Amino acid sequence: KNQVEQSPQSLIILEGKNCTLQCNYTVSPFSNLRWYKQDTGRGPVSLTIMTFSENTKSNGRYTATLDADTKQSSLHITASQLSDSASYICVVSASQAGTALIFGKGTTLSVSS
Amino acid sequence: SQTIHQWPATLVQPVGSPLSLECTVEGTSNPNLYWYRQAAGRGLQLLFYSVGIGQISSEVPQNLSASRPQDRQFILSSKKLLLSDSGFYLCAWSVLGRGSRHNEQFFGPGTRLTVL
Repeated sequence: KNQVEQSPQSLIILEGKNCTLQCNYTVSPFSNLRWYKQDTGRGPVSLTIMTFSENTKSNGRYTATLDADTKQSSLHITASQLSDSASYICVVSASQAGTALIFGKGTTLSVSS
Repeated sequence: SQTIHQWPATLVQPVGSPLSLECTVEGTSNPNLYWYRQAAGRGLQLLFYSVGIGQISSEVPQNLSASRPQDRQFILSSKKLLLSDSGFYLCAWSVLGRGSRHNEQFFGPGTRLTVL
């Protein structure tokens, strides 16, 4: 069964600290993996996308890694800011047209001052 | 540039009442369109997708229906709402076609539906 599991479910950190969010997946075949950021009450916005051959991708203070052998991905946030408070969703795409997306339940990150 | 609109932003409806949520996309043609529901503490659940006018595929059996009367308009409906229909409804679009660039989905701002 295609699944995407994220951990932790929620996380609280102090402003300026770093954190790492985890994503494990059992999706086959595999096309790509995306991390989305979803602010409360808003739609998700894509942060990064990685295909099978890519093992790291950065977007500002966000760095995603992918280990296709172990089927694990992580999202590292550096020097966190209050605006990073959001839900971070890992989404894996099977090798089909756009309907074959498997969503994780997300990690809720709270950054406090 | 492409934009996606959803309305209303929030909605409170009594059980048994009808529902109509609208989604429109600007700046692109022939998009794939999607309706998702996000319940509290749950991941996004794909409800419907459409690859063209009048073409609707349903992912899960439920109390809802979808229609695509125009190329860039996607409507989510119900004749009689249930309590379990409460949630955050997201519309999304993607470029028609295959490949990793083609299946990136762009989400709308969402509609918060509360059924009382």
